[in-house]
Order: sequence, then C-alpha cells, then structure tokens
Amino acid sequence: SQQGEEDPQALSIQEGENATMNCSYKTSINNLQWYRQNSGRGLVHLILIRSNEREKHSGRLRVTLDTSKKSSSLLITASRAADTASYFCATVYQGAQKLVFGQGTRLTINP
Amino acid sequence: NAGVTQTPKFQVLKTGQSMTLQCAQDMNHEYMSWYRQDPGMGLRLIHYSVGAGITDQGEVPNGYNVSRSTTEDFPLRLLSAAPSQTSVYFCASSYQQGGVSKNIQYFGAGTRLSVL
Repeated sequence: SQQGEEDPQALSIQEGENATMNCSYKTSINNLQWYRQNSGRGLVHLILIRSNEREKHSGRLRVTLDTSKKSSSLLITASRAADTASYFCATVYQGAQKLVFGQGTRLTINP
Repeated sequence: NAGVTQTPKFQVLKTGQSMTLQCAQDMNHEYMSWYRQDPGMGLRLIHYSVGAGITDQGEVPNGYNVSRSTTEDFPLRLLSAAPSQTSVYFCASSYQQGGVSKNIQYFGAGTRLSVL
C-alpha cells in the first residue's frame, strides 16, 4: 500500500488544549493535504502544503512538512468541542494521479 | 450549486446482486474518484478518472467497474456483490489543472452499503 501512516490513531484532550497529529509517507511527494471528517459525513479539505513549503497556517491550524523525514504534522490550537472529528492526511506521489489517504487520527475534545 | 451528489445514501444487497452507485458533480471538475472507507483502514482508492472517457484503477479495483461518459457523472458498478464489499463509499471530484495533488477534493456525503 502507498498509504501514509498517521499517529496517533486516537487522541483525546480537554477543550482549550492543543492537539497534534502526525503523518508519515513513504516516497517523494508533490504536495500534502489534510482533511477533516465529522462522524457520518464526507471529508472536508483543511489545508494544502506544497513540497517546497515548511510551514503553513490557517486560522487555528498549523501544518508543517519535513520532506527529509517524509513527515507532516497538523497542530490545532485552543481546541473546541466542534473540532471532534477524524483527521486525514493525503498525498500524491510524484508522477502519479492517485490521491491516497492515511488511516486517520480520531480526535475527541472533552468539554 | 449542489457540489458532489451521491445516491443512494443507504443500500442493502444480497450476495451476488449487482448495483450501481451514482455520483454526480456540477462543478465542471475533470478529476473524479471513488473511495471505500472501512473501520481502521482509512480511505482506499477504488477507481479514478482524469476526464471523460478516461478511467484507471486505484488500490482496490477488484469487483468494481467504472465508466466516465460525461464530465458530470462517474458511476461505480458492483458486478456481483460480496460481503467483503460492505463499506461506506465516497465519491470525490476536483479540478485537474496542475495535477490532482494541487487541487482540493470535494467529497460527497457517502453511500453506506451492506451486503448480506
């Protein structure tokens, strides 16, 4: 499989804390994307980071990319109950047209 | 602007039956794809298409057929349903310019399929 691997598989934190999820991948990529999936729903795009970028911000989201380690992390600051969802990274390997997803991190924010 | 529409939302089949999962998008996207989502397995790519008349296999294509006769529609056919095909199926679409990695994927709400 060409899937990335996400870590941890599940994360439970208190509201207001920061949540960090990691994604590792296997071969060279063009870009990396993060998606969120609320229970029973389809995936929603959060952020895209290009292979020549190291960090990107969007509101309370911060994504980093380390191509030397073939890894990315998603940080959600000041978490809210509404952030409870599964988070997936997705990559396209160079020369391919297939977008492949990791297994996801299930995040639970406790009030 | 409806986005990506999948029908039906729920379906129960008996082993050996065939059916077609429908996917339509109204955003004039060139790229469309089908994924299945199983517990603990994330999303796995079944088939994808980079434009009308062009389809290709993903990670888990066996037991599924697709066609792309129009830009808007990308149906997924189960030829002879098996219990192993019990899953949630998602259709997604995006622009193709610059490659799929550069474009945001828009997902449908999913079809929940049970094969008995």
